[in-house]
Amino acid sequence: TQLLEQSPQFLSIQEGENLTVYCNSSSVFSSLQWYRQEPGEGPVLLVTVVTGGEVKKLKRLTFQFGDARKDSSLHITAAQPGDTGLYLCAGAGHGQNFVFGPGTRLSVLP
Amino acid sequence: GAGVSQSPSNKVTEKGKDVELRCDPISGHTALYWYRQRLGQGLEFLIYFQGNSAPDKSGLPSDRFSAERTGESVSTLTIQRTQQEDSAVYLCASSLKALESTLHFGNGTRLTVT
Repeated sequence: TQLLEQSPQFLSIQEGENLTVYCNSSSVFSSLQWYRQEPGEGPVLLVTVVTGGEVKKLKRLTFQFGDARKDSSLHITAAQPGDTGLYLCAGAGHGQNFVFGPGTRLSVLP
Repeated sequence: GAGVSQSPSNKVTEKGKDVELRCDPISGHTALYWYRQRLGQGLEFLIYFQGNSAPDKSGLPSDRFSAERTGESVSTLTIQRTQQEDSAVYLCASSLKALESTLHFGNGTRLTVT
């Protein structure tokens, strides 16, 4: 069974601070996605990473896929209250469905 | 264009009753997924449909859970003899094709079993 772990589980920071959240597994994934979910809504895709070692930037968000394609990180620079939400990583593996991690719940205080 | 639509948005039912949840995927999306999200937790895979292939039912937690999809259109998730532990948000997602494209999620159905 392919499992994804995410850390930290909860994170509360002040506006303007930087943060990094992690997604780890003992399994190799062909690709990995990051989603953000706000209360009462479904998750929305932020990025897909495919190549080991790949780094993608989306404004203040930087995503990295580990060289071995088993882990990923999401770094947010100068966090804003609008970044508040549940950050989920999802891996595409050997089956035909996406495996989701438990998420990191981020709260950015003004 | 229209996104993934789920109905009802909220459902309160008594323990032991059957419930049916509906998902309208984005037109043209061949893959459809059902996930369950318990309060404060991540997404638990339930079932996956891809075109006319046999569905992947490996995530269904018990034989009280079943789902159908007609072609590449609407899907229904049925929970029979509901239990309190079934209380959760049930999310549906569709994608152009399996594992190679974005999952587009609906806003979910919040099920409460009293």
